[in-house]
Amino acid sequence: EAGVTQSPTHLIKTRGQQATLRCSPISGHTSVYWYQQALGLGLQFLLWYDEGEERNRGNFPPRFSGRQFPNYSSELNVNALELEDSALYLCASSPGQPIYNEQFFGPGTRLTVL
Amino acid sequence: AQTVTQSQPEMSVQEAETVTLSCTYDTSENNYYLFWYKQPPSRQMILVIRQEAYKQQNATENRFSVNFQKAAKSFSLKISDSQLGDTAMYFCAFMKRGSFGNEKLTFGTGTRLTIIP
Repeated sequence: EAGVTQSPTHLIKTRGQQATLRCSPISGHTSVYWYQQALGLGLQFLLWYDEGEERNRGNFPPRFSGRQFPNYSSELNVNALELEDSALYLCASSPGQPIYNEQFFGPGTRLTVL
Repeated sequence: AQTVTQSQPEMSVQEAETVTLSCTYDTSENNYYLFWYKQPPSRQMILVIRQEAYKQQNATENRFSVNFQKAAKSFSLKISDSQLGDTAMYFCAFMKRGSFGNEKLTFGTGTRLTIIP
């Protein structure tokens, strides 16, 4: 069974640009979560999608947005990039049913804002 | 809101020894899960062990076990017979049991564990 995949592995942008990060969940998983792992700050919850709907959002400005496609893959968009957006962005997926509670993580996308 | 605190930024231990990583959390929820995740230098996050709050029995997974003290809101991880492959960042995490079942994870800041040969 293929795990969670993310693309690209690395992304370098300049301040003010837009970044698009992609995530493909494990087959059969309907929930996708996005986390930001900035140096020294641990992992911060960004967004949660399930069945195409945004279920929850963390304390991030509106320039962080995303969507989930009918095939359950997801995209995270970051507009008007700022230097402090430099971080590892992790995507996780889970089956979505109530009896499951494990999130499976992808390898991440390293975003560098210059 | 939930908070998770890991008070040990870094730890090191000799191979084959036992090490305990500490985690405390704060919540007003009654139904929740607690997790320890491991992030090796290659950075893929892996679930180590999970504890359901309504279960009094401490979870164990081979060399990994937890000491779950619900009243004290403490959730420590014990690694027995430590191995070089245990070298990683370890994150304690909290998840509320919500109406959709799976909710967001709230993480601690992590403990960097180094196993010394």
